[in-house]
Amino acid sequence: QPVLTQSSSVSASLGSSVKLTCTLSSGHSSYIIAWHQQQPGKAPRYLMKLEGSGRYNRGSGVPDRFSGSISGADRYLTISNLQSEDEADYFCETWDTSTRVFGGGTKLTVL
Amino acid sequence: QITLRESGPTLVIPTQTLTLTCTFSGFSLSTSGVGVGWIRQPPGKALEWLALIYWDDDKRYSPSLKSRLTITKDTSKNQVVLTMINMDSVDTATYYCANFWFGESFEHWGQGTLVTVSS
Repeated sequence: QPVLTQSSSVSASLGSSVKLTCTLSSGHSSYIIAWHQQQPGKAPRYLMKLEGSGRYNRGSGVPDRFSGSISGADRYLTISNLQSEDEADYFCETWDTSTRVFGGGTKLTVL
Repeated sequence: QITLRESGPTLVIPTQTLTLTCTFSGFSLSTSGVGVGWIRQPPGKALEWLALIYWDDDKRYSPSLKSRLTITKDTSKNQVVLTMINMDSVDTATYYCANFWFGESFEHWGQGTLVTVSS
């Protein structure tokens, strides 16, 4: 079963860019992941799917300020031109035919 | 427009059984490739996947909770039901349902329902 590792917190300034990391466990570096955003007090919201090729597909209505990339087992979510509403928890998810796994989440603070 | 909504008790006594219902619209669980899953989130903690059911009634469970969970669907009512036996205080969490396509991530999420386990 894959394991997803995320840093617990990150902060960045309004209008800047930030790159969040989700690392796949050994032997699972080719897995597809998804990124979800959870604003305070709200349900998670699907942001995008990020394939092992580096190609990503944003969900409906997700601004193009959100983009994805990869490097080896690392999966990245980059948010450009940070807005106050981007302050949230960000979770990565992966899956196979038998299981679903979430990372521990990264809390993004917009300064 | 796809929507999902969780319903069930807000308070459960330890050792009792929890039954949650996910009622959805905008898609059908009789459509090939469609699935619905349950995920929970203890206060201040991460998301934890619990179970999922596919359009063909195939079911999958979290290995750590498999002995306590049952997931079923009622296609005619557009509902998915999760049952968890032997509830404990550590099961206090917000429980979400979400839909997905086969081989894809969870896409549309319900608003969640907070379940507190306490005597």
